[in-house]
Amino acid sequence: AQSVTQPDIHITVSEGASLELRCNYSYGATPYLFWYVQSPGQGLQLLLKYFSGDTLVQGIKGFEAEFKRSQSSFNLRKPSVHWSDAAEYFCAVRTGGGNKLTFGTGTQLKVEL
Amino acid sequence: GAVVSQHPSWVICKSGTSVKIECRSLDFQATTMFWYRQFPKQSLMLMATSNEGSKATYEQGVEKDKFLINHASLTLSTLTVTSAHPEDSSFYICSAPAVSPNTGELFFGEGSRLTVL
Repeated sequence: AQSVTQPDIHITVSEGASLELRCNYSYGATPYLFWYVQSPGQGLQLLLKYFSGDTLVQGIKGFEAEFKRSQSSFNLRKPSVHWSDAAEYFCAVRTGGGNKLTFGTGTQLKVEL
Repeated sequence: GAVVSQHPSWVICKSGTSVKIECRSLDFQATTMFWYRQFPKQSLMLMATSNEGSKATYEQGVEKDKFLINHASLTLSTLTVTSAHPEDSSFYICSAPAVSPNTGELFFGEGSRLTVL
């Protein structure tokens, strides 16, 4: 069965530092991959998505992610973190022909000023 | 992007009562909507798929009689938590997929926090 693993439950970075959030997936074919961000008590906002083509995808708020098939990974990166980036980040994979998404367990990002 | 709205954003109810949560797609039609449940500091767990004009499809382990889902129109799906108990307290989030192209991208509502006393 498909699954998504986010190895880091919590990450703390200083404002202005670079960020990388890890995501690994398990799926036989090429998956559709997503990163969502959730602020406390809010719904989810799409940061970026990968379907095919260029393996480095750009998203909103200065985020990017790279799909690496050989590593079954889709890590999220940002060169310089802002305090407003503090939130919960979820990696998700769509599998099959439907619209169901399987979410990872999330990574809580804290930003130190 | 498309907008999905939930109401109420938070609700407190007494044990044994029923609570209805609405999910609306404001600027697009949604023949399918998804209901998720999220426990504190945990991921989203898919509860059911709401299908316009037909019965909802529930995930394994989700009580159909406890969580009633209705999708009466192309812009509205409702989740009713019947005979609510404290263990039903949670954050419920709905979502609707992008219509065309069908990319699997989901638009999420703001979520509804249910507290059962």
